[in-house]
Amino acid sequence: DAGVIQSPRHEVTEMGQEVTLRCKPISGHDYLFWYRQTMMRGLELLIYFNNNVPIDDSGMPEDRFSAKMPNASFSTLKIQPSEPRDSAVYFCASSGRSNTEAFFGQGTRLTVV
Amino acid sequence: GDSVTQMEGPVTLSEEAFLTINCTYTATGYPSLFWYVQYPGEGLQLLLKATKADDKGSNKGFEATYRKETTSFHLEKGSVQVSDSAVYFCAPRMDSSYKLIFGSGTRLLVRP
Repeated sequence: DAGVIQSPRHEVTEMGQEVTLRCKPISGHDYLFWYRQTMMRGLELLIYFNNNVPIDDSGMPEDRFSAKMPNASFSTLKIQPSEPRDSAVYFCASSGRSNTEAFFGQGTRLTVV
Repeated sequence: GDSVTQMEGPVTLSEEAFLTINCTYTATGYPSLFWYVQYPGEGLQLLLKATKADDKGSNKGFEATYRKETTSFHLEKGSVQVSDSAVYFCAPRMDSSYKLIFGSGTRLLVRP
């Protein structure tokens, strides 16, 4: 398996634009997590899914953020409209059974100017 | 609520020194415990894990023991190398919600 695949690796966009980050989890994994990493706040859990259903989205910063998982092999994190303070590295991770480790993608570095 | 506290960094050591990075957590129930490592410009990689009390996880010379009585999972290595320079994250996975949360990370710098 190629591991968790995220795209794009880098994204630069202007304030106010819509941004969509994509994630393909490892085949057969039941859980998918979205994290945001910044120097100030560290690694924050935004939302996670189990069997394509959102379980906890309490970490989503505000209504500008939304995440979907239409099927077991694909998830998106959308920011609309984007703001400079959204600049961060966004990681997607997936795991199998509930008590097992998660595997991370390489991340998407988002810069909003 | 569920949380994890890690030792503040950065930690600067000379090569071959002994390393300890402290990690404690609060959780209802008995989470699985993980240490992840992040090298510059990369994603997070699993370093080691322990899924029940008194288990010892180990990998690449690093060790950590699941201490239920002190809710701790401290990371240790007897002799660090320059190549160990990275950021280390403690991460409990809650057995009630299956949420995986991360500590603030501890940056380790090993000097030759």
